[in-house]
Amino acid sequence: GEDVEQSLFLSVREGDSSVINCTYTDSSSTYLYWYKQEPGAGLQLLTYIFSNMDMKQDQRLTVLLNKKDKHLSLRIADTQTGDSAIYFCAETASGAGSYQLTFGKGTKLSVIP
Amino acid sequence: DADVTQTPRNRITKTGKRIMLECSQTKGHDRMYWYRQDPGLGLRLIYYSFDVKDINKGEISDGYSVSRQAQAKFSLSLESAIPNQTALYFCATSDFGGKGAFFGQGTRLTVV
Repeated sequence: GEDVEQSLFLSVREGDSSVINCTYTDSSSTYLYWYKQEPGAGLQLLTYIFSNMDMKQDQRLTVLLNKKDKHLSLRIADTQTGDSAIYFCAETASGAGSYQLTFGKGTKLSVIP
Repeated sequence: DADVTQTPRNRITKTGKRIMLECSQTKGHDRMYWYRQDPGLGLRLIYYSFDVKDINKGEISDGYSVSRQAQAKFSLSLESAIPNQTALYFCATSDFGGKGAFFGQGTRLTVV
């Protein structure tokens, strides 16, 4: 079945850029997502990218998609302590119109003041 | 008010008891989902529903059942709770179009 892989931990200094990486196996993935989960909270949709795009920028967030290598990354510029959270990569395929999400295990981002 | 509301937020129950987790949404989405989150395992899909008359099993449906009472309401039941069902449960909704799912705040369930 489909699989989404992420590294489990990332530590960066406040003000630096963070890059969170994700690989996926489903070649029919149509949409790819980044979610943020703060402690004790639900998942917040940060951004998404269609598979026919290779980059999307939204303020401090830049998403890069390499469809050939099935690699997705999320770059957070000027990382702040409020960015400390778990970040989930997810993908969905539009087969049968289901749009079911398959999640990675999450990357815990720790920002050092 | 939250777009996706889950009740209760926390629950402790005993092994063998029946428990229902409820979810309601005001986003007007047709599609609703129940996920389970365990530390180190990410989120796994339990059940999903495309509309009131459509219910589908997800990756880990054994031991769970669902009911879609209305477009806005989707409940998850554990008929006879067991300790390895201790987890954080999330309800989510989405529309047709792939622009992502929207999650509730979660229900932390502990089975003792």
